[in-house]
Amino acid sequence: GAGVSQSPSNKVTEKGKDVELRCDPISGHTALYWYRQSLGQGLEFLIYFQGNSAPDKSGLPSDRFSAERTGGSVSTLTIQRTQQEDSAVYLCASSLGGQSGANVLTFGAGSRLTVL
Amino acid sequence: KNQVEQSPQSLIILEGKNCTLQCNYTVSPFSNLRWYKQDTGRGPVSLTIMTFSENTKSNGRYTATLDADTKQSSLHITASQLSDSASYICVVSSTGGGNKLTFGTGTQLKVEL
Repeated sequence: GAGVSQSPSNKVTEKGKDVELRCDPISGHTALYWYRQSLGQGLEFLIYFQGNSAPDKSGLPSDRFSAERTGGSVSTLTIQRTQQEDSAVYLCASSLGGQSGANVLTFGAGSRLTVL
Repeated sequence: KNQVEQSPQSLIILEGKNCTLQCNYTVSPFSNLRWYKQDTGRGPVSLTIMTFSENTKSNGRYTATLDADTKQSSLHITASQLSDSASYICVVSSTGGGNKLTFGTGTQLKVEL
């Protein structure tokens, strides 16, 4: 597609439920990133994919968080047993390559998660 | 610990006026510094990327400066427009890709009539 697509744009869930957030990157972008943006905080790195593998998962805050990427394209971020502190905007970004420091990231509009 | 600090936290200016946003960083090693614009409800959009050797870079009415010695950057917006109302985020990259970015918390700019 022309840009990075994320769905759902908004998700309200009850504490303890599982949620899945989807990211469809720009076609041909091999690198894909998930970030979390909480109110008043800078973007927090969660996980990075190069193709289907995840060389860096260091930002995942707990084992309730997992992500996968299939076909070198779509990625899904899953949060199990959601907690209120998981409420945030989850942003996905993609870029042409992985480790080049000059790669421009294109961000999606984000998925706003609210855990009641 | 790598950190990026931005000031002011928020700013209100009248349409047509200029403004300058500040960014100080302590990130090592340093690869490049980026400014992003984030409209409400949207993802950040890249405005400029500057490497160590670049002092200034312009993108339309946006001009970014970088002083790698003092580890400071600024984003100057000329002849502001209502559409400039957004959060402006300073991002510093260590050697590597998007997993090595340190994000500032942003300056919230509001342009009024």
